[in-house]
Amino acid sequence: DTAVSQTPKYLVTQMGNDKSIKCEQNLGHDTMYWYKQDSKKFLKIMFSYNNKELIINETVPNRFSPKSPDKAHLNLHINSLELGDSAVYFCASSQVGTVSYEQYFGPGTRLTVT
Amino acid sequence: AQTVTQSQPEMSVQEAETVTLSCTYDTSESDYYLFWYKQPPSRQMILVIRQEAYKQQNATENRFSVNFQKAAKSFSLKISDSQLGDAAMYFCAYHHYNQGGKLIFGQGTELSVKP
Repeated sequence: DTAVSQTPKYLVTQMGNDKSIKCEQNLGHDTMYWYKQDSKKFLKIMFSYNNKELIINETVPNRFSPKSPDKAHLNLHINSLELGDSAVYFCASSQVGTVSYEQYFGPGTRLTVT
Repeated sequence: AQTVTQSQPEMSVQEAETVTLSCTYDTSESDYYLFWYKQPPSRQMILVIRQEAYKQQNATENRFSVNFQKAAKSFSLKISDSQLGDAAMYFCAYHHYNQGGKLIFGQGTELSVKP
């Protein structure tokens, strides 16, 4: 069974379009995250939600809007896509208060903006 | 702000040999966690090993072990008996609970394994 899943795995779109990436976890975790991995493979946090509440918003352009309908889902909507948004986006989840706060990652979504 | 630095963009090791990947970090906290993640070409992020800062004993997981030097803020990963499947990008990451749970990653080290 997949612990953290993301759809789609690949997304190719044109500048100016709006797109969404969905994430679901079946681990019963209370915290979910979005990370961005750029072309140099550098990983950086974008957002974090705990029990559907936004707790981290790491200076991300407001064209990016996360939405958490419940604690098992965290979707990422991107408006007016730009070339610089091309990257791999990872969803992750963890359970706050566990020994190590270990984060489990989804398979990533490669977004290509042309 | 906390930072994580991996100074080796690329490393190479012969199959069955041992290799050490370096990581240093900067923090004013005393209690935190450190992780090594592996990212093979499939791009899946896989946890390799974790270390709690309050534990003096270095973590080990089969062929993987760390050398954790808290005072020096150093956290290196040693891979023994390297296998072809170890070829991947390796990321060092820092976590402190009051950072909202986020992981702060280093730049990564690309490890290649020669047969």
